Amino acid sequence: EAGVAQSPRYKIIEKRQSVAFWCNPISGHATLYWYQQILGQGPKLLIQFQNNGVVDDSQLPKDRFSAERLKGVDSTLKIQPAKLEDSAVYLCASSLVGAGGPRSEQFFGPGTRLTVL
Amino acid sequence: AQKVTQAQTEISVVEKEDVTLDCVYETRDTTYYLFWYKQPPSGELVFLIRRNSFDEQNEISGRYSWNFQKSTSSFNFTITASQVVDSAVYFCALSGGSNTGKLIFGQGTTLQVKP
Repeated sequence: EAGVAQSPRYKIIEKRQSVAFWCNPISGHATLYWYQQILGQGPKLLIQFQNNGVVDDSQLPKDRFSAERLKGVDSTLKIQPAKLEDSAVYLCASSLVGAGGPRSEQFFGPGTRLTVL
Repeated sequence: AQKVTQAQTEISVVEKEDVTLDCVYETRDTTYYLFWYKQPPSGELVFLIRRNSFDEQNEISGRYSWNFQKSTSSFNFTITASQVVDSAVYFCALSGGSNTGKLIFGQGTTLQVKP
């Protein structure tokens, strides 16, 4: 079974530029998550989708970050304009179900390492 | 508020030693779930275990074992006879039973196993 796919793996941009990340979850997984992991810290949830609807985006900086999952499968996360503090690894994860309990284990992709200069 | 604390920032052991990674959590939920993930140098988080708040039985999987104690709000992870391949960052995480499934991660513990 294929895992969570993400691209690109690495991205370097100048501040104030825009960038987009792509994620394809495990087939059949209804729930998709985007996490931000700053160096030396644990991942922090940015947004959670259940199919193509947003469940939780309380920690998404909506003035510059946006995300969509139009057909309930793959998803894109965009930053516009980027700031220096956005330098981090952006992790995508998916799970069969969204709430805690059986089948709620989240499986992570390899991440996209973003460097903002 | 939910919180996970991994007080050990870095641990270094010699191969074949046993090592325990500590995890302390805070939550007001009566139903919640605890997780451990491994993050090797490649960067991908690997799921190790999920434990719900009603199941305090310890679990053993090969060289890995987990000790869940509600009385002390701890969910510790022990690796027996450590190997160099165990070198990674290990994260403990918490998910509330009533919420969306969002994982609250600790800061992580970097484990270095030397040959």
